[in-house]
Amino acid sequence: GAVVSQHPSWVICKSGTSVKIECRSLDFQATTMFWYRQFPKQSLMLMATSNEGSKATYEQGVEKDKFLINHASLTLSTLTVTSAHPEDSSFYICSAPGGGSYNSPLHFGNGTRLTVT
Amino acid sequence: QKEVEQNSGPLSVPEGAIASLNCTYSDRGSQSFFWYRQYSGKSPELIMFIYSNGDKEDGRFTAQLNKASQYVSLLIRDSQPSDSATYLCAVGGGSSNTGKLIFGQGTTLQVKP
Repeated sequence: GAVVSQHPSWVICKSGTSVKIECRSLDFQATTMFWYRQFPKQSLMLMATSNEGSKATYEQGVEKDKFLINHASLTLSTLTVTSAHPEDSSFYICSAPGGGSYNSPLHFGNGTRLTVT
Repeated sequence: QKEVEQNSGPLSVPEGAIASLNCTYSDRGSQSFFWYRQYSGKSPELIMFIYSNGDKEDGRFTAQLNKASQYVSLLIRDSQPSDSATYLCAVGGGSSNTGKLIFGQGTTLQVKP
């Protein structure tokens, strides 16, 4: 089955620093990847759609200059949280459609738990 | 109105019983429907997906879709304590049809031994 690898699984950083999270599709190509965020006891909220070779599409209310997304290849998307603040502490999860079509099930990485102190 | 709605629960059932999880969605153009299971502190894992009206069975799981009523459900037969988790309903292929999924808030299922 389609495997999505996400790294790191957890990170603690100081307020004001930047953190980069990597998402890789291991056995398939993903022209599109999706980045979600989940706060405790809440559901997954889509942050942005990462598109290989073009700019990411951000959901309403998500700051594109704060959450930088780069989809450098067909198997790698990165999310950089810039100038992190404690309110950015959350569980960040990337995903990619495993079947190659828009209606394919999404396969999720293991998530990155970010704690900003 | 939320785009995808679920009862947050918790839904408590005894071991061996049938657990019934429900979900409604607002975008009538939605084309794909998914159920994910999420254990605490972990990322979601795919349980079932359904695209057409009716029932789809996979082992102990049955997904049911009624597009006219904009309703999708998940039945878990012979519930086990290991089924205790949060179940997320996700809907895709709506008016934007970009492949992104919209998630409900999840229903917490507790299966008691």
